[in-house]
Amino acid sequence: GENVEQHPSTLSVQEGDSAVIKCTYSDSASNYFPWYKQELGKRPQLIIDIRSNVGEKKDQRIAVTLNKTAKHFSLHITETQPEDSAVYFCAATNTGNQFYFGTGTSLTVIP
Amino acid sequence: DAGVIQSPRHEVTEMGQEVTLRCKPISGHNSLFWYRQTMMRGLELLIYFNNNVPIDDSGMPEDRFSAKMPNASFSTLKIQPSEPRDSAVYFCASSFSVGTGDYEQYFGPGTRLTVT
Repeated sequence: GENVEQHPSTLSVQEGDSAVIKCTYSDSASNYFPWYKQELGKRPQLIIDIRSNVGEKKDQRIAVTLNKTAKHFSLHITETQPEDSAVYFCAATNTGNQFYFGTGTSLTVIP
Repeated sequence: DAGVIQSPRHEVTEMGQEVTLRCKPISGHNSLFWYRQTMMRGLELLIYFNNNVPIDDSGMPEDRFSAKMPNASFSTLKIQPSEPRDSAVYFCASSFSVGTGDYEQYFGPGTRLTVT
């Protein structure tokens, strides 16, 4: 089955700096890669996703890049703000059913 | 739409008791997922249903866990008997995925279960 690894497990950045979280996957058939943000005590919420036919996608301060050859994808957050502090999860799937989640990255933005 | 609804939001029970968690997916969604989240193991998929049929329950930890989806708008996850190691946050999620390529899963608010 699919194996998704996520790094780093914790990340601290100064407000205004950029943050990058990386994930690798093992199944070349995976074709959908969402990123979820989970604030403390809240539910995971989708913040951005990318499909295998696209190399990069942006939405305001967040962007995701995908390298199918190397089987890795990354989340980029620019101009970080304190409200970006949360746990971020990546995931991969090729069916839309079985999502394989990474172990999460706890991002702290220091004011 | 109110989103995915879960009840109860918090449950505290004693070891050995039966626990039933409930989920109402988003109307029109045809897939439903039960996850368990702990600090040690992260987010684990327990079971998922497609069109009310259980497709993969390989994530269910043991026979004490069971899940049902009697209709498109309701699902339950039951633990009997409960044990302290079952303490976790249980999320239900739903999606509409029928070859459309739209795989987004919408999570409910979760049920925080504490077994003493």
